[in-house]
Amino acid sequence: SQELEQSPQSLIVQEGKNLTINCTSSKTLYGLYWYKQKYGEGLIFLMMLQKGGEEKSHEKITAKLDEKKQQSSLHITASQPSHAGIYLCGAHLRGGGATNKLIFGTGTLLAVQP
Amino acid sequence: KAGVTQTPRYLIKTRGQQVTLSCSPISGHRSVSWYQQTPGQGLQFLFEYFSETQRNKGNFPGRFSGRQFSNSRSEMNVSTLELGDSALYLCASRKLALSRGLTDTQYFGPGTRLTVL
Repeated sequence: SQELEQSPQSLIVQEGKNLTINCTSSKTLYGLYWYKQKYGEGLIFLMMLQKGGEEKSHEKITAKLDEKKQQSSLHITASQPSHAGIYLCGAHLRGGGATNKLIFGTGTLLAVQP
Repeated sequence: KAGVTQTPRYLIKTRGQQVTLSCSPISGHRSVSWYQQTPGQGLQFLFEYFSETQRNKGNFPGRFSGRQFSNSRSEMNVSTLELGDSALYLCASRKLALSRGLTDTQYFGPGTRLTVL
């Protein structure tokens, strides 16, 4: 089974609607990253969360980390076509050693209809 | 500041051949990690190099190898290519080792799309 589970797997929303993507870990997290990817391209860094209860925002995207639940959520307010893409959560897992290895979720494909 | 660069962007090879992919990290970054992305398996960690030393290796066969040079540039090599090696290969760089904490982040390059025929 996946160490990082993302939900939903795909999402279609109307432009202007809000949406939330979740990322849940089966192991203790040490740093949680959110990236966005256009199909076939590299990953664009969005945000990194490290402490329980931490919340970060960039433009219309907000990410939160719930350390107790080992879960992070990514919330997009008033979605736009430019938000379309694949959202990936990645994490260092505690006990994974002192390396920069990231474990990734399966990704959430977001489509925004004009 | 220039981002992570990867060359070539696209490659087509045939089974049995070998291939070398190159990654230049962000200036000042000493850690380079490689990932393979496929529709079936998603993003999988290949290996990480820090200051020319391999620090971690994922669960891939020995046909996958890499190295890092003194200027932090990294190459990965895949020998005896198989159809299943067709994937997007992503390189990521980070300034510090994770043991120094989460004060910096990991940035990814645009990837090299490898197609094995």
